[in-house]
Amino acid sequence: GENVEQHPSTLSVQEGDSAVIKCTYSDSASNYFPWYKQELGKGPQLIIDIRSNVGEKKDQRIAVTLNKTAKHFSLHITETQPEDSAVYFCAARESSGGSYIPTFGRGTSLIVHP
Amino acid sequence: DSGVTQTPKHLITATGQRVTLRCSPRSGDLSVYWYQQSLDQGLQFLIQYYNGEERAKGNILERFSAQQFPDLHSELNLSSLELGDSALYFCASSVVGERDEQYFGPGTRLTVT
Repeated sequence: GENVEQHPSTLSVQEGDSAVIKCTYSDSASNYFPWYKQELGKGPQLIIDIRSNVGEKKDQRIAVTLNKTAKHFSLHITETQPEDSAVYFCAARESSGGSYIPTFGRGTSLIVHP
Repeated sequence: DSGVTQTPKHLITATGQRVTLRCSPRSGDLSVYWYQQSLDQGLQFLIQYYNGEERAKGNILERFSAQQFPDLHSELNLSSLELGDSALYFCASSVVGERDEQYFGPGTRLTVT
């Protein structure tokens, strides 16, 4: 089965700095890579995703890059703000039998200091 | 707000008891997924239903069961509860198709004492 490793487990930055979270996956058949943000007391919220036919995708201050050869993908947050503080999860998924079940990383706790 | 609703928000019960968690998917979504989130295990997939039928099974214990009803809401039943079952339980829904992002509900926090 798929195995997703996520680093770092904790990331502390100053407001305005950039933050980068990295994930690696094991199954070369994986073709969909979503990122979720989970704030305290809430459910994971999909913030951006990328599919294997794309190398990079941006949405305002958030970008995700994918290297299929190396089997890793990263989340980049620029100009961080205190409200970016949350736990971020990466996931990898293949479309197999229509089940669409992602495997999640263990999460990164991002702390943005004002 | 993702459009996925879950009840109850919090649940406190004793070991050996049985509880039922409820989930209503986003309007138009046919598929429901259940996840367990604990500090030491992260986000673990339990089971998926699509239009009333079980579609995929993950690390779901035999003491746990689920179903999806004709109106597409789903229930997760947890029985013979143990202390280790204390966790957050999330429901997610998706269309299941080319655009198949999963959207999570706010979760149910289960505490077994």
